[in-house]
Amino acid sequence: GEDVEQSLFLSVREGDSSVINCTYTDSSSTYLYWYKQEPGAGLQLLTYIFSNMDMKQDQRLTVLLNKKDKHLSLRIADTQTGDSAIYFCAVNSGYSTLTFGKGTMLLVSP
Amino acid sequence: NAGVTQTPKFQVLKTGQSMTLQCAQDMNHEYMSWYRQDPGMGLRLIHYSVGAGITDQGEVPNGYNVSRSTTEDFPLRLLSAAPSQTSVYFCASSYNGYEQYFGPGTRLTVT
Repeated sequence: GEDVEQSLFLSVREGDSSVINCTYTDSSSTYLYWYKQEPGAGLQLLTYIFSNMDMKQDQRLTVLLNKKDKHLSLRIADTQTGDSAIYFCAVNSGYSTLTFGKGTMLLVSP
Repeated sequence: NAGVTQTPKFQVLKTGQSMTLQCAQDMNHEYMSWYRQDPGMGLRLIHYSVGAGITDQGEVPNGYNVSRSTTEDFPLRLLSAAPSQTSVYFCASSYNGYEQYFGPGTRLTVT
């Protein structure tokens, strides 16, 4: 089945850029997602990219997709302490279902 | 719109007890899913539905039942709770099968 891998932890200083990386195995995935989870909360859909795109920008967020290497990244510009959370990479693993990575904990220090 | 709602927020069960986790959405979404989240494991799909009357199994369906009698509701039933089912359970819905929106979760502890 589909496998999604991400690094477990990232620490940055406020104002720096954060880059969270993800690799996946199923090249037929059509949609690739980034979700954010704050402590004790549900998952918030941050952004997603279609597999026929290389890049998508949405305010401070930039998603890059390298289909050849099956690599997805999320860049957060001007990272703030409010961005501290767990970020999940996910890919559609069939119609209406998702496969998630284990999540990257982003810690932003002042 | 209330979005996706889940009840209860917290639940403690004894081994062998049964219960139903409720999930409802008011967005007229056809697609609904249940996931469980365990530490260090990410989210794993339990069951999903592509419309009223249609359900299918996900990655970890054992010990759970679902039914979808209406578009709005997608309850998850634990028939005989086990400590291995201690987890946080998330319900999600989607209008197109791709953009999934999650509820706030139910934190379940089985002792």
